[in-house]
Amino acid sequence: KNQVEQSPQSLIILEGKNCTLQCNYTVSPFSNLRWYKQDTGRGPVSLTIMTFSENTKSNRRYTATLDADTKQSSLHITASQLSDSASYICVVSADNNNDMRFGAGTRLTVKP
Amino acid sequence: NAGVTQTPKFQVLKTGQSMTLQCAQDMNHEYMSWYRQDPGMGLRLIHYSVGAGITDQGEVPNGYNVSRSTTEDFPLRLLSAAPSQTSVYFCASGPTPRDQHVNGYTFGSGTRLTVV
Repeated sequence: KNQVEQSPQSLIILEGKNCTLQCNYTVSPFSNLRWYKQDTGRGPVSLTIMTFSENTKSNRRYTATLDADTKQSSLHITASQLSDSASYICVVSADNNNDMRFGAGTRLTVKP
Repeated sequence: NAGVTQTPKFQVLKTGQSMTLQCAQDMNHEYMSWYRQDPGMGLRLIHYSVGAGITDQGEVPNGYNVSRSTTEDFPLRLLSAAPSQTSVYFCASGPTPRDQHVNGYTFGSGTRLTVV
């Protein structure tokens, strides 16, 4: 069964600090991996997408990495801000169906 | 351009009642889907549609019906509500999964449903 596992489940950091969120997956054959940010009470919003050939991609203070060999991805947040407090969800798409598999998310809290 | 609009935002039902969650998008997307989000779990696909008149089951379809008579609308019907259907429901639209690498899916803001 295709699965996406995220760690840690929750994380609390101080404003201005960096953090890294992890995503391991077993989805196969792999098509792409996307990181979403979900603010409380809102729907997920896409941050970045990684395809098989991409190792690193940055979007402002967010940097995503992908290791397709080990089936791992990370999302690094630099110089965190209070507005970064949210759940971050890893979503992996397989190449042979119309479905995506969602991780349970990492709940990030940034404190002043 | 409103994106994906879900109504209602909150709903409380009694066991056995039926209701319809509404979802509308104005982006002319072919693909629409319904997910439920439960604590500690990833979003799970209930039903999806790749175009008007075409629907298919996702991972957790039991107890739910859908229809897609127009490109814009994709309502989700609960036939006989059960406490196990207490959840937050999200509607999403976008290009077909094979093409969603460009912009991804657009999600609605969710419907929080409680069945008592």
